[in-house]
Amino acid sequence: GAGVSQTPSNKVTEKGKYVELRCDPISGHTALYWYRQSLGQGPEFLIYFQGTGAADDSGLPNDRFFAVRPEGSVSTLKIQRTERGDSAVYLCASSQDPDSSYNSPLHFGNGTRLTVT
Amino acid sequence: AQKVTQAQTEISVVEKEDVTLDCVYETRDTTYYLFWYKQPPSGELVFLIRRNSFDEQNEISGRYSWNFQKSTSSFNFTITASQVVDSAVYFCALSGGSGGSNYKLTFGKGTLLTVNP
Repeated sequence: GAGVSQTPSNKVTEKGKYVELRCDPISGHTALYWYRQSLGQGPEFLIYFQGTGAADDSGLPNDRFFAVRPEGSVSTLKIQRTERGDSAVYLCASSQDPDSSYNSPLHFGNGTRLTVT
Repeated sequence: AQKVTQAQTEISVVEKEDVTLDCVYETRDTTYYLFWYKQPPSGELVFLIRRNSFDEQNEISGRYSWNFQKSTSSFNFTITASQVVDSAVYFCALSGGSGGSNYKLTFGKGTLLTVNP
């Protein structure tokens, strides 16, 4: 597709449940990122993939959060034992090689709005 | 640590007015990048501009212009002759590091711009 695609657009789950959020990046973009945006705040970095590997996962808040990108394209963000504080919009972005001075900027998807009840 | 401050939480103008959105940043990096993103009600973050720390030239793109002043650590954004379609949340962001890395953006809290007809 032309842009970054995220599914589902909305997810409501009960506290303690497991959820998976999917991101399909722009074709040809080697880098993929997850950010989290809480209400009234700017997005906060979670994790960055270069290809299949997580190059930087320093933004993941705790070990309940995990992300994979097994084939270097689609990525899944997984949250175990969800808590009400996990409620936020989870944004995915992709770009060309971020270590190149002429790389493209991040292109974001519409996000998945996660609500934990 | 990096920090981006957007002191204006909300701005309301009447169509055709000019409006400036302020952004002040803090970083210890000597090489860094500054960005502006627009987030319309649909939720997608739309890239507007990227500036590196060595390029202090102001930039104009149609009705948009940006004023980068290293001396005051500011990267302000002006919309001339505002239109209703400009209504959105605008985020200023910063990334640091050499080699052009731009994956770990630090965002401000955003400014909600409302343009009334």
